[in-house]
Amino acid sequence: NAGVTQTPKFRVLKTGQSMTLLCAQDMNHEYMYWYRQDPGMGLRLIHYSVGEGTTAKGEVPDGYNVSRSTTEDFPLRLLSAAPSQTSVYFCASRPSGELNEQFFGPGTRLTVL
Amino acid sequence: AQSVTQLGSHVSVSEGALVLLRCNYSSSVPPYLFWYVQYPNQGLQLLLKYTTGATLVKGINGFEAEFKKSETSFHLTKPSAHMSDAAEYFCAVSRTGGGADGLTFGKGTHLILQP
Repeated sequence: NAGVTQTPKFRVLKTGQSMTLLCAQDMNHEYMYWYRQDPGMGLRLIHYSVGEGTTAKGEVPDGYNVSRSTTEDFPLRLLSAAPSQTSVYFCASRPSGELNEQFFGPGTRLTVL
Repeated sequence: AQSVTQLGSHVSVSEGALVLLRCNYSSSVPPYLFWYVQYPNQGLQLLLKYTTGATLVKGINGFEAEFKKSETSFHLTKPSAHMSDAAEYFCAVSRTGGGADGLTFGKGTHLILQP
């Protein structure tokens, strides 16, 4: 199993550009998550999904869209990038049911100029 | 809403010394608590978790944590630090009881090892 994969690893955008961060998992996990990590802030939840066809907002959802058309994929879209979205983005997944741990991808480092 | 406070953004210990990383939480429901480790330029890896039952939880790499409800704490310890333990450590609490809606993380503690 590859686990949770994220592409790209690095990306530089200009303000106003759009892009999609890709996340895929091959563990047949129902639940998937997007977090952003900023220095001194820890990780903050952007959006999450508890199954195919469902998504929900986390703590910091503004400026981001997600969709869940398959169990494996959970892309994160920035429609109009802003410098405040410069961050490291982590995707995670976990099996359904209580108390199961989340498995994290390696992250995407995004810089918005 | 749940919250996590990690005391000390940086902790420095000598190799072979005790490691103590502090975590206090606030939760309106019985908490499920986690410690994750992040090595440079990598994702997060679970060290250990507390759900219910025994309050002393053992994890990987010799780490353990004790859940103290009266103190709302979940401090992480390791009796003897190794150079390979140098990393960022995050304490987290499930946002709701079952945790389907994700985790709330502390701001992290950077563990520095001195030879």
